[in-house]
Amino acid sequence: QKEVEQNSGPLSVPEGAIASLNCTYSDRVSQSFFWYRQYSGKSPELIMSIYSNGDKEDGRFTAQLNKASQYVSLLIRDSQPSDSATYLCAVNILRGGTSYGKLTFGQGTILTVHP
Amino acid sequence: EPEVTQTPSHQVTQMGQEVILRCVPISNHLYFYWYRQILGQKVEFLVSFYNNEISEKSEIFDDQFSVERPDGSNFTLKIRSTKLEDSAMYFCASKGDLFNYGYTFGSGTRLTVV
Repeated sequence: QKEVEQNSGPLSVPEGAIASLNCTYSDRVSQSFFWYRQYSGKSPELIMSIYSNGDKEDGRFTAQLNKASQYVSLLIRDSQPSDSATYLCAVNILRGGTSYGKLTFGQGTILTVHP
Repeated sequence: EPEVTQTPSHQVTQMGQEVILRCVPISNHLYFYWYRQILGQKVEFLVSFYNNEISEKSEIFDDQFSVERPDGSNFTLKIRSTKLEDSAMYFCASKGDLFNYGYTFGSGTRLTVV
């Protein structure tokens, strides 16, 4: 089983709609969860971080975490064509009692927002 | 806003040659990382570095790879004898707080081994 799994997409939504991106992780001792946006040929850019169960909102973005279900999601409201990118889910897995901040990434979901 | 700087942006090298990829992390950060991303694939962890030593490394980070922080500002990744399969984007990242906040990634170095 892959450590961090995402639907690779592509996910296509019309402008103004809500885009919903999902991620599951296999390791129950995961402690920190991140969503990054990556435009083609560019480096990952941090959008959201979430550490405890529930929702966290920042502008048009909402991250949701459910540790019991080992599930983290990202909602993008009022999607814009400029949101078209690959969205990477990343998890900091605490293993053996230590962690030095290593992130395990999913393969990314390609999002296309069409006008 | 502080940023992580990587040089060069693109490096082409012959198979078997040594390359050094350079990074200048954010000045008050303490934790440094290298990741790579082969074209079309996911971002993969290579190594983390803290307190002037490697704190964790992946199985990708074999004896051909080494990291160094030679002067307190630069953070380098050396590949001793490059292989075709080392062709990838290499990202440096740094972090000020271990458990909170995500990384700040540099803009990356595209390494092409021919």
